Amino acid sequence: DAGVTQSPTHLIKTRGQQVTLRCSPKSGHDTVSWYQQALGQGPQFIFQYYEEEERQRGNFPDRFSGHQFPNYSSELNVNALLLGDSALYLCASSLGGPGEFTGELFFGEGSRLTVL
Amino acid sequence: GNSVTQMEGPVTLSEEAFLTINCTYTATGYPSLFWYVQYPGEGLQLLLKATKADDKGSNKGFEATYRKETTSFHLEKGSVQVSDSAVYFCALTTGANNLFFGTGTRLTVIP
Repeated sequence: DAGVTQSPTHLIKTRGQQVTLRCSPKSGHDTVSWYQQALGQGPQFIFQYYEEEERQRGNFPDRFSGHQFPNYSSELNVNALLLGDSALYLCASSLGGPGEFTGELFFGEGSRLTVL
Repeated sequence: GNSVTQMEGPVTLSEEAFLTINCTYTATGYPSLFWYVQYPGEGLQLLLKATKADDKGSNKGFEATYRKETTSFHLEKGSVQVSDSAVYFCALTTGANNLFFGTGTRLTVIP
């Protein structure tokens, strides 16, 4: 049973560029959440996708956008990259139906983005 | 607002020593509390949780008790092993389908 998989594992971009990160959730999960983890910090919630729509969003600018596909996989897009966007981006999956959230998220190993 | 404060690390202990990692929280409403662990080269995973005041979560010899009066959820283990070396994150949710994490505490256990 595959867990949460993310790609790419590492990437380097320059300021102003755009990046797309990808995530496949754990089998049977229908909800994908994205977190940003800066060096030495805890993960911070970016947004969550359920039924192909953004259901909830944290305190991140509109440069951060996403998408969820019918097979529940998801993408995170960041436009106009800034140096401060350098971080580990974590994808987490869970069950997301009404009353199903237990607080247990299954995380991938992350995509480490470096912006130069 | 919601926030979690963890004791700063890193923490280095000898094998079989007693471990405490402090965690306090601020939350609107009645949060559920969690400890997540990140082993080297692996993704974050749930270690234990407690959903209401006075509940004790436990797993793999680790324990934490939800203390509403002190807004705390300290992680403890009576005898750590080298394999417990990891980064530990305290987290909370207020039922809004997302988690608020602390900054993490790196634990290194030496033989």
